[in-house]
Formats: sequence, C-alpha cells, structure tokens
Amino acid sequence: EVQLVESGGGLVQPGGSLRLSCAASGFTFSSYEMNWVRQAPGKGLEWVSYISSSGSTIYYADSVKGRFTISRDNAKNSLYLQMNSLRAEDTAVYYCARAYYYDAFDIWGQGTMVTVSS
Amino acid sequence: EIVLTQSPATLSLSPGERATLSCRASQSVSSYLAWYQQKPGQAPRLLIYDASNRATGIPARFSGSGSGTDFTLTISSLEPEDFAVYYCQQRSNWRVTFGGGTKVEIK
Repeated sequence: EVQLVESGGGLVQPGGSLRLSCAASGFTFSSYEMNWVRQAPGKGLEWVSYISSSGSTIYYADSVKGRFTISRDNAKNSLYLQMNSLRAEDTAVYYCARAYYYDAFDIWGQGTMVTVSS
Repeated sequence: EIVLTQSPATLSLSPGERATLSCRASQSVSSYLAWYQQKPGQAPRLLIYDASNRATGIPARFSGSGSGTDFTLTISSLEPEDFAVYYCQQRSNWRVTFGGGTKVEIK
C-alpha cells in the first residue's frame, strides 16, 4: 500500500524548534518530488516547501523562508521538515504530499499537528 | 504570486443535484490546475489534475474543465459522500497556491 506517515508534531513555545518526519512506503520514494503543506485550524491549505527527488532543488513559501529547512534521506525513505524560530501563526496540521505530474499532489499523509503557544 | 479565487464559498444542494464549482486565477496557469476534496479530520484527496484528468479511482461524476484563468469542477449528481470542502490548486514554476475552498453542504 502506498503510504505516507508523518510524526514529530507537538506543543512548542514561540521561538522554539521542532523536526517533522514523513515515512514513505509502498513506492520508490527516491523517484518522487515531495512537498510539505499545512492547514491552520479551521483554515485552508497552504503550501510550505518543495524538494526534488534527488534533494538538489528546494523551494519555500515566503512565510517560512529562512526559518524552515526541508530535507530527505532516500536511503531511509524519509522526508523531513526542520522548523526553527516558530511563531503562533505556524500552528497547523502539517501534511507531507507526493508530487504527481506537474501540478498535483496525489498521496498525502494523515498529518501531524504543530501547536506554537506559551 | 498567483491568487486563486473560488466561488461560491458555500454551495447548498440536495443529493442528486448537480454541483458547479468555480476557480479563477489572477493570471494564466495554462492547464496546470488540480482539484481536491477534503472531509473533516481527513487529508485532502486528489480528484482532478491538469485541469481535466480524473485521478486514479475517482468516480466519473467528477469532471474538470477550463484553461488559462477560469476553471470549473462539476459533480454531475451529488452522492451523500460528496458533501465536503473542495480546493483548487495551481503550480506556476515552483510556487504552489491553493484557493480558499468551496464548502458543498446538504440543503
């Protein structure tokens, strides 16, 4: 079964750090571009970051640039999101999502909740 | 940044009725537009990619159309499981944006 499973979410104070992980199974992870997408409580979807299949190309949304770092380990079939200098507005469910064709995300994880609060 | 505007915000319909959802882009995205369905507490589910191609396993009652700046998702006859929030999404170069969503609710 093709699957993505996120972990690492939790409660963190403003200014703190958190590292999210996304474990992939059921497909050749190293062949796919990957993304992180987040959703604040009761709000819509917001793209966060992209990484190419090899990890050589990376992009970030302006809202997280300079604070978040995306990475992957193809040998471990895993995607990561290092989040530093967290703010209240980063509170959201974070999804990892597999890229499909040029414009879509076909496989999503179940999400992991990140809450930034004192 | 390309802004996607979805309308209406809420659509109140009965099972069996036809649903027509709109997504308008602030500039052309060619045919690089996708549609998703999201139910409470669940991850989004890909319905349509490249504006008009149904994703694997998506029923034929879902169809997408449009190109450039104006796109439509049509559900030909609403089933009880179709009541949910729908999002459009585009990718231009490397930047991805989502629309604000349309909630399809039971009338």
